[in-house]
Amino acid sequence: EAGVAQSPRYKIIEKRQSVAFWCNPISGHATLYWYQQILGQGPKLLIQFQNNGVVDDSQLPKDRFSAERLKGVDSTLKIQPAKLEDSAVYLCASSLDRQINEQFFGPGTRLTVL
Amino acid sequence: AQKVTQAQTEISVVEKEDVTLDCVYETRDTTYYLFWYKQPPSGELVFLIRRNSFDEQNEISGRYSWNFQKSTSSFNFTITASQVVDSAVYFCALLVSGGYNKLIFGAGTRLAVHP
Repeated sequence: EAGVAQSPRYKIIEKRQSVAFWCNPISGHATLYWYQQILGQGPKLLIQFQNNGVVDDSQLPKDRFSAERLKGVDSTLKIQPAKLEDSAVYLCASSLDRQINEQFFGPGTRLTVL
Repeated sequence: AQKVTQAQTEISVVEKEDVTLDCVYETRDTTYYLFWYKQPPSGELVFLIRRNSFDEQNEISGRYSWNFQKSTSSFNFTITASQVVDSAVYFCALLVSGGYNKLIFGAGTRLAVHP
């Protein structure tokens, strides 16, 4: 069974530029999560989708971050414009549904903002 | 408020030593779940275990064991006879039932196992 795929694995941009990350969850998983992991910290949930609808985006900085999952499968997370403090690893995870299921994580995208 | 504290930032051991990673959690809810994840250098978070708040039975899986004590709000993880491949960052996480499937992670403990 293929795992959660993410691309790119690494990205370096300058502040005020835009960047987008892509995630393809495990086939059949209805719930998709984006986490931000700052160096030395645990992952923090940014947004959670159930199929193509947002169920929790309370910690997403909506003035610069956006995410979509239009067809209920893969998802993109965008930052526009980026700030220095956005440097982090962005992890995508998926689970079968919103119930208490194991979340499967992708390898992450390491973003460096200069 | 929900919170997970992993007080040990880094632990260094020699191969074959036993090591315990501490996890203390805070929640006012009576129904919750606790998790441990491993994050090797490749970056992926690997699920290790899930326990619910009504099951305080300790669990052993090979060289791994977990001690859940509600009285002290702790969910500690022990690796017996550590190996170099155990080197990773380990995260404890809390999920409160009734809401969204939202994991709250601790800051992690970096374990280095030296040959």
